[in-house]
Amino acid sequence: KAGVTQTPRYLIKTRGQQVTLSCSPISGHRSVSWYQQTPGQGLQFLFEYFSETQRNKGNFPGRFSGRQFSNSRSEMNVSTLELGDSALYLCASSDGTGGWFGEKLFFGSGTQLSVL
Amino acid sequence: DAKTTQPPSMDCAEGRAANLPCNHSTISGNEYVYWYRQIHSQGPQYIIHGLKNNETNEMASLIITEDRKSSTLILPHATLRDTAVYYCIVATGSARQLTFGSGTQLTVLP
Repeated sequence: KAGVTQTPRYLIKTRGQQVTLSCSPISGHRSVSWYQQTPGQGLQFLFEYFSETQRNKGNFPGRFSGRQFSNSRSEMNVSTLELGDSALYLCASSDGTGGWFGEKLFFGSGTQLSVL
Repeated sequence: DAKTTQPPSMDCAEGRAANLPCNHSTISGNEYVYWYRQIHSQGPQYIIHGLKNNETNEMASLIITEDRKSSTLILPHATLRDTAVYYCIVATGSARQLTFGSGTQLTVLP
């Protein structure tokens, strides 16, 4: 079974631009979560989508948005980029049901975004 | 979600067992203990999780104390490839919004 695929692997943008990152979850998984990782703040939760609906949202400004398509693929968008948005953006997929048995997240390798 | 406390770093000799402790004294009855690890520049990798009982899989064993206030992740025969940051996370069973702390940097020495 293929793992979680994130594209592109590396991205360089300048301040004020916008960027779109893509994530293809494991086949059959309906939940996609996004995380930001920086040296200063560590791994922080951005948002989670399940069946094309945002189910949870972390404490990030509205410049960070996402969406999920009917095939469960997800994209996240960051508008009006700031220097502080430079980070590794990670996507994780799960079957989204969790509950009694706990839920495992499967992470992709991430997109390294550099804002100049 | 309950907070966790882990030592910032640990060393382990290759071939020996690595025992990584985690304190979670405020854990709630419906919260699981999850362990993930992150090898440099890669996404975190799920290792194991448990609620009350000790758990074992092909990667590791998880020992949870009876009062559930602490746990230990055991890598039975550490290899150089096990060098990574290990995160102990407490969350409900359906949680996909995980709170990652600073973790423990495990270095396996040859």
